[in-house]
Amino acid sequence: DVKVTQSSRYLVKRTGEKVFLECVQDMDHENMFWYRQDPGLGLRLIYFSYDVKMKEKGDIPEGYSVSREKKERFSLILESASTNQTSMYLCASSLYSLGRGGTEAFFGQGTRLTVV
Amino acid sequence: KQEVTQIPAALSVPEGENLVLNCSFTDSAIYNLQWFRQDPGKGLTSLLLIQSSQREQTSGRLNASLDKSSGRSTLYIAASQPGDSATYLCAVIYLTNAGKSTFGDGTTLTVKP
Repeated sequence: DVKVTQSSRYLVKRTGEKVFLECVQDMDHENMFWYRQDPGLGLRLIYFSYDVKMKEKGDIPEGYSVSREKKERFSLILESASTNQTSMYLCASSLYSLGRGGTEAFFGQGTRLTVV
Repeated sequence: KQEVTQIPAALSVPEGENLVLNCSFTDSAIYNLQWFRQDPGKGLTSLLLIQSSQREQTSGRLNASLDKSSGRSTLYIAASQPGDSATYLCAVIYLTNAGKSTFGDGTTLTVKP
């Protein structure tokens, strides 16, 4: 059973703080993703990683960075948190499949981040 | 622009009814389409994955179909139950965007006892 685990369900941080959101998957998946989800805006891709130390910007990378030092772990970093980064953050992983563009994606339970 | 559309945004049905949720996509050149369920404040749970070469997938009371030529997928839920109340999202991986899913905004289903 694939498990994607996010380090926190709820976080409250102050404006200007550096924030780390951690995600770990246990199925040896190559692909990992960070999304944010906001009412009326749907799911938006922040960053995508297809291998260790490899990353690709998604649709809304501004204000975020990522780190993937180990295959199972993908971290999202808010360099200087702002109130407009208050959101639900979702991590996902999938297996790379040559010629198939990726397989079934699995999500973590989400982190509700509030920046005050 | 490659998009995914889900209509209606919300649906309310009485318990026991069979229902269909719709998903439309703008380009038939896809790898796969995946249906998810999301409960309030939670992450997404994978329900069904249909590869581009497949026409349908079934899991329990759920059946998902795929028609690439018309750019449509449907999720059929048989004998709905109050526990089926959730938001249902579909996601498409387009050939030109390998590995990354494009999501619809979801249909929020309420099943009334």
